[in-house]
Amino acid sequence: DADVTQTPRNRITKTGKRIMLECSQTKGHDRMYWYRQDPGLGLRLIYYSFDVKDINKGEISDGYSVSRQAQAKFSLSLESAIPNQTALYFCATSDLAGSGSYNEQFFGPGTRLTVL
Amino acid sequence: GQQVMQIPQYQHVQEGEDFTTYCNSSTTLSNIQWYKQRPGGHPVFLIQLVKSGEVKKQKRLTFQFGEAKKNSSLHITATQTTDVGTYFCAGRRTGGGNKLTFGTGTQLKVEL
Repeated sequence: DADVTQTPRNRITKTGKRIMLECSQTKGHDRMYWYRQDPGLGLRLIYYSFDVKDINKGEISDGYSVSRQAQAKFSLSLESAIPNQTALYFCATSDLAGSGSYNEQFFGPGTRLTVL
Repeated sequence: GQQVMQIPQYQHVQEGEDFTTYCNSSTTLSNIQWYKQRPGGHPVFLIQLVKSGEVKKQKRLTFQFGEAKKNSSLHITATQTTDVGTYFCAGRRTGGGNKLTFGTGTQLKVEL
């Protein structure tokens, strides 16, 4: 979705390097998410944020950190990259439809990260 | 924690054949969503089911939510090459807040 952008789109780095992946959105959504995708494992939630001052761990947050700099920006950092963090990373956004139901998530194009 | 499994992991069909993917959660869900990811692309929302036993249709796609709200299915009638991709279910656990847990996905290939 062109409303959610991710940079870089591809990155090759070495073990031990610090890496930052950035996500920006123009949808005006409060909620933002970071997922990683691995073959056969689906999409796994790393961190999520429901507001600029709100940060929550997902199911696989170890080795990652995030920063919500503004409503429109949510960055994911790997402080010291390791090979098993090689994956496809997606940022997503959503809004809250109302009590009892939730709007869909809109995904960015993804960042393919390779850690050598 | 909550686990959402999908079967099969892969499915090859001939164009015109039907296809079904099944989604099973270890916990009761408040709602379930389905997404499609084309090869090289990103997940795109298809539909959301909320009610127990709910059935929704989108042209050749039929989505069902189980009576116990722990399972769901997506059935495609008469597949076309445009149906190629990976289909994910994603559910929110009842009383579990706002996190969405994605299933493991089913990759569909359609051969002419």
